[in-house]
Amino acid sequence: AQSVTQLGSHVSVSEGALVLLRCNYSSSVPPYLFWYVQYPNQGLQLLLKYTSAATLVKGINGFEAEFKKSETSFHLTKPSAHMSDAAEYFCAVMGSGAGSYQLTFGKGTKLSVIP
Amino acid sequence: KAGVTQTPRYLIKTRGQQVTLSCSPISGHRSVSWYQQTPGQGLQFLFEYFSETQRNKGNFPGRFSGRQFSNSRSEMNVSTLELGDSALYLCASGVDSYTGELFFGEGSRLTVL
Repeated sequence: AQSVTQLGSHVSVSEGALVLLRCNYSSSVPPYLFWYVQYPNQGLQLLLKYTSAATLVKGINGFEAEFKKSETSFHLTKPSAHMSDAAEYFCAVMGSGAGSYQLTFGKGTKLSVIP
Repeated sequence: KAGVTQTPRYLIKTRGQQVTLSCSPISGHRSVSWYQQTPGQGLQFLFEYFSETQRNKGNFPGRFSGRQFSNSRSEMNVSTLELGDSALYLCASGVDSYTGELFFGEGSRLTVL
């Protein structure tokens, strides 16, 4: 079974500082990986998606993630944090095998941005 | 383009009752998935429907069921509610869920007393 592990349930950064949210996956086959964001009292929104086309994936709102197979990692970064980035971020992997049709999510990392 | 609409947004039930939650997907989307979100377990997959057929089901008891109608709208039902069913239930739609590109509604927050 595929799984993802997000290191750090809470991350605090200062406004303008680098954002780094960590995600490691376990998969026996090349995975489809995703980052979703959830703002308070809202559903999830897709930030970016890796599907093996390129190891560096750019998403919305200035976020990007790099797929590193040797480290089984898919960390999310943003060069300069903005107050509006405060939210909870979820790393996810698409289920393996034909007919899975489900995302397996990590536990989430809550990002706080300090003014 | 209207987003995914879930109703009701909030509801309170007592143990033993049943509840039905509704989801209207984005127009043109034929795949609807349901997820349960709790502080302890996080986001867990319930089931997925495509063109009225359930293609996959998560590891939940039979008290949790769902269906999809010909217009792609979906409902999920939980019977004999337990305290542990208190959660945010999220519906997501997509052109096809295998892409992983899902559009989530704001959820239905269920409280079981």
